[in-house]
Amino acid sequence: EIVMTQSPATLSVSPGERATLSCRASQSVGSDLAWYQQLPGQTPRLLIYAASTRATGIPARFTGSGSGTEFTLTISSLQSEDFALYYCQQYNNWPMCSFGQGTKLEIK
Amino acid sequence: QVQLVESGGGLVKPGGSLRLSCAASGFTFSDYYMAWIRQTPGKGLEWVSFISTSGGVKKYADSVEGRFTVSRDNAQNSIYLQMDSLRAEDTAVYFCARDTLWAIPATPSGYDFWGQGVLVTVSS
Repeated sequence: EIVMTQSPATLSVSPGERATLSCRASQSVGSDLAWYQQLPGQTPRLLIYAASTRATGIPARFTGSGSGTEFTLTISSLQSEDFALYYCQQYNNWPMCSFGQGTKLEIK
Repeated sequence: QVQLVESGGGLVKPGGSLRLSCAASGFTFSDYYMAWIRQTPGKGLEWVSFISTSGGVKKYADSVEGRFTVSRDNAQNSIYLQMDSLRAEDTAVYFCARDTLWAIPATPSGYDFWGQGVLVTVSS
């Protein structure tokens, strides 16, 4: 089983600043990595797939990077609607997959 | 627009059964692989099951293997999750999600659409 570990568990950032979220895989997943955003009471929303490709309609301030075991989601110039839960997901062993435990991005 | 609508959740006693449904619309359902994913406050998101476009290939997480059965009806644009021998640890919100467009080779790219989720509570 591929275990995904996200850090930090909670990240406090001021609006307008940059947020950097990390995700580590227990073994290489190549670029088979997605990021999701979940607002309170809503379903997960696909932000990034293939480690760095933005999904349809996702603003350019969301940037994914990394490969192998280390991945980063960067949100530049945080907007109020960006404060949410973020999950990474590996699908290297598709159709099975696994998720990280999430990072809560909160307003500082 | 793409819509996925789950139903069938509720309260069930340990050892009991429940059948979830997910009705899809807004896309060519039979062209897509589909998945069930669940979410709990303590464990976050957990992949549960996968079904191929024809229903001929099914995969399950170890935690539900032998107890859950996924199926689909392409004429009804629906997938189902039959959950038997339910345990307290199966308590979660269950989502259906659109997986990958059928192709050879398949090129997975995450789950681009999710249903609103349905709550399953297993408790005596």
